[in-house]
Amino acid sequence: EIVLTQSPGTLSLSPGERATLSCRASQSVASRRLAWYQQRPGQAPRLLIYGASTRAPGIPDRFSGSGSGTDFTLIISRLEPEDFGVYYCQQYGTSPSLTFGGGTKVEIK
Amino acid sequence: EVQLVESGGDLVQPGGSLRLSCAASGFTFSSHDMHWVRQATGKGLEWVSAISTGGDTYYAGSVKGRFTISRENAKNSLYLQMNSLRAGDTAVYYCARVFLSGLDLWGRGTLVTVSS
Repeated sequence: EIVLTQSPGTLSLSPGERATLSCRASQSVASRRLAWYQQRPGQAPRLLIYGASTRAPGIPDRFSGSGSGTDFTLIISRLEPEDFGVYYCQQYGTSPSLTFGGGTKVEIK
Repeated sequence: EVQLVESGGDLVQPGGSLRLSCAASGFTFSSHDMHWVRQATGKGLEWVSAISTGGDTYYAGSVKGRFTISRENAKNSLYLQMNSLRAGDTAVYYCARVFLSGLDLWGRGTLVTVSS
C-alpha cells in the first residue's frame, strides 16, 4: 500500500505570499493518479488538481501542481484570504482504492 | 443543479447497523464510479469504499466484511450499509463522484456517531 506523507504539517503565511506544499509517496505514483484537494473549515473537500498538474474546472490559475514519481508539489502563487484551510494530496490506486495524505494546514500568519 | 446529498447518519450503539444514502442529481449518475470517504472530527480523510459503473465493489481493510456499498441507478442513489459498527467508525461520511483520477463532486456529508 502506498503511503503519502505531506509536509509541512502547518504553513503560516500572510495573504499575497507564496505557499509550497509537498506530498511524498512511499512508492512511485503514476502522475495521472495524483490529485490535490482544498478543505475549508466545515466544508467538504474541493478538487483542485488532478493528473498531478491539471487544474480542475473553475480553479484559479494561482494554483499549480507539479511532480512525478514519488515527489509532488502544490504551489499557491499568491495567497488569497479564501485559500486558508487544509490541503490533501490523494493517490488513485489500481483496485481502485484511494490513499490520502495527512494534510497540510495553511493558516494566516 | 449538480449535487450529491447524503442522509442516514445517526447516533448508534456499538455493534449496531446503519444505512447511509447519497442522492445524486443534475448529472448522469450511472456513468460515474462512486466513492465513500469519511473524516473523523479534527482528522484527515479516509477512503472507505468504491463502486464502479458496472457494480464492482471495493473496500478499505478497516471496513471489509462489515460495510456494503451498492447503487441503484434508476433512483440515482448510492448506499452504504454499515454493520457491526465500532467507535472508530465515528465520522462524517461523504459520497463523491469520480472524475479521471480525482473526486470532483462531493456531498456535504452525514455524521455517524457510534457510542453507548
